[in-house]
Amino acid sequence: EDKVVQSPLSLVVHEGDTVTLNCSYEVTNFRSLLWYKQEKKAPTFLFMLTSSGIEKKSGRLSSILDKKELSSILNITATQTGDSAIYLCAVEGGSARQLTFGSGTQLTVLP
Amino acid sequence: GAGVSQSPRYKVAKRGQDVALRCDPISGHVSLFWYQQALGQGPEFLTYFQNEAQLDKSGLPSDRFFAERPEGSVSTLKIQRTQQEDSAVYLCASSLGGRVYGYTFGSGTRLTVV
Repeated sequence: EDKVVQSPLSLVVHEGDTVTLNCSYEVTNFRSLLWYKQEKKAPTFLFMLTSSGIEKKSGRLSSILDKKELSSILNITATQTGDSAIYLCAVEGGSARQLTFGSGTQLTVLP
Repeated sequence: GAGVSQSPRYKVAKRGQDVALRCDPISGHVSLFWYQQALGQGPEFLTYFQNEAQLDKSGLPSDRFFAERPEGSVSTLKIQRTQQEDSAVYLCASSLGGRVYGYTFGSGTRLTVV
C-alpha cells in the first residue's frame, strides 16, 4: 500500500521566516510527486516533480525531489501571512489515475 | 465553466439518511475523480471516471457509496444510510487527460452526519 508521511504536522512562524516542509513516501512504481496548497477546501496545485535533484521554483516557493531518499522538501522563503495554509504532498504511484496524499503540514504565519 | 463546481457546499444529514453530492467538472475534461477528506487528514481516493466509464472504484469504503457520471460530464456521489464516520469533505477533481497532472479540485462538499 502506498504511503506518504509529512512533517512537521504543524508549524508556526513569523513573517519573513524561511520554512522547510518535508515529505517522505513509499510507493510502488513511482511516477511523480505533487505539492498542493489548501486554504479553504480546494487544494491548489503548486509543483509536480518527476526527476531527482531538479529544483522547481515559483517565486518564493521551491521544491526538490530526492528519489534515492524517497523524499521531497518544499521551501518557502520570506514567508507572508498569505502563506498560511495546509500544504499537502501527494504521490502518483502504482495506479496512474489516483494520488496518495499525506496528512499535510498546517503552516501558520504570524504578522 | 471556469472551475470545478460542487454542490451543495454544506450538507447536514441525520444518520440513516441518503445523500447525493454533485460535481460539475470543467467543460471538456475527460477524467473525473472523487476524494474523501476527513478532518485533519489528507484527501483519500474514492473513485475515477473516464468520460462515463467508472474505471476505478477501489477506494469506495463500502457498498453504501455509489458514484455515476451517465453522460460523461456531471457526476453524482451517493451515500446511502449515512453513518457518522461518513462525515468529511468530499472533493471532486477533473483533468483533461487521464494522468493526475492538471487536476483541478472543486471546493468540496462538507458532509456532517448527526
